[in-house]
Amino acid sequence: DGGITQSPKYLFRKEGQNVTLSCEQNLNHDAMYWYRQDPGQGLRLIYYSQIVNDFQKGDIAEGYSVSREKKESFPLTVTSAQKNPTAFYLCASSMGRAGTEAFFGQGTRLTVV
Amino acid sequence: AQSVTQLGSHVSVSEGALVLLRCNYSSSVPPYLFWYVQYPNQGLQLLLKYTSAATLVKGINGFEAEFKKSETSFHLTKPSAHMSDAAEYFCAVSGGFTGANNLFFGTGTRLTVIP
Repeated sequence: DGGITQSPKYLFRKEGQNVTLSCEQNLNHDAMYWYRQDPGQGLRLIYYSQIVNDFQKGDIAEGYSVSREKKESFPLTVTSAQKNPTAFYLCASSMGRAGTEAFFGQGTRLTVV
Repeated sequence: AQSVTQLGSHVSVSEGALVLLRCNYSSSVPPYLFWYVQYPNQGLQLLLKYTSAATLVKGINGFEAEFKKSETSFHLTKPSAHMSDAAEYFCAVSGGFTGANNLFFGTGTRLTVIP
């Protein structure tokens, strides 16, 4: 079945460590996105990518990094520079054209311990 | 700039009652509007979308929404609530203005259905 796969579902990180969240899609979508979700704040855009080897910062990119080496993959690294990384992270993809919806993965819940 | 405002972070309705979740948008270009639903610890699922073809949009699970340009609104309704409708609902807007088709989300409305 086509879809978006995020792994792991739950992730624990010690303070000062970098962690990488995986996102893979087999929908042949050009665009991919990372959102952060905190209670009462909705979804905030971290990074997005329209094509391979290109990506742009979203509203809250500080402390995060991404890569887009393959069309299917858009991993997110949460670095030690992110001061409050505990959150629910959602990856999405779309065809990238105006009016097209985004399809979401099941999310990764990151907790700093 | 594009944004959406969802009025009411929590809405409670009785089973069988009308569901009304409010969304107002702000956009400098003709908007595309979406409603998504999220169940606990899961991703978002598209309920319906408006792309200017028709102002009344029907979605999955009996939901519909009406685009009202004069009121800059895109409220979500369902005639009769079911227990399975309990979830969080997000309104989103995009306009393709940047070419990236990024979605801008509201802060969400948590729907509780009372038996």
